[in-house]
Amino acid sequence: NAGVTQTPKFQVLKTGQSMTLQCAQDMNHNSMYWYRQDPGMGLRLIYYSASEGTTDKGEVPNGYNVSRLNKREFSLRLESAAPSQTSVYFCASSEGSGNTIYFGEGSWLTVV
Amino acid sequence: TQLLEQSPQFLSIQEGENLTVYCNSSSVFSSLQWYRQEPGEGPVLLVTVVTGGEVKKLKRLTFQFGDARKDSSLHITAAQPGDTGLYLCAGGETYKYIFGTGTRLKVLA
Repeated sequence: NAGVTQTPKFQVLKTGQSMTLQCAQDMNHNSMYWYRQDPGMGLRLIYYSASEGTTDKGEVPNGYNVSRLNKREFSLRLESAAPSQTSVYFCASSEGSGNTIYFGEGSWLTVV
Repeated sequence: TQLLEQSPQFLSIQEGENLTVYCNSSSVFSSLQWYRQEPGEGPVLLVTVVTGGEVKKLKRLTFQFGDARKDSSLHITAAQPGDTGLYLCAGGETYKYIFGTGTRLKVLA
């Protein structure tokens, strides 16, 4: 009954460090997403992958890269972390456009 | 640019009271979704409304999509502490769903 699993749950980074957030879904969904959630800003789309082999920018892609490794996995990489990237990150998946989006439990990232 | 504004931002009420939260936009949406998010978890879909004027009920929760498909409301009857959480509306085209900033509801026992 896993659904969408993301790791790590918590991470503290120093400014300039790099890290990768991992995400996997076991629902055989075609589409996957990365969002960030900040107080007063709601959820904002960073990148999405409509289907295996494709990735596209969302609303706030600067400072991030993504990889759709296969149908199950979609990773988010911060190449040089900045304090402005302190946030809660959510991975999500759906069968396709307009379908129900299922979210992971979130990854709390602090950049100091 | 499509935007979704939710009101109120915060709501604290006593158990048994009724409440309504709103989701408004100047843009037309083909559908709107409502999610509830509990602390430490990701949002969970409650309902999707598609047709202008549509009303959907989920136990004590009633969702309405505006006739012009620019707004939606969520009404909770006889709120319970288990209804506590962040309520988010979302909508958009293709894969680029946008989310409102949410209404944080606290129901006191």
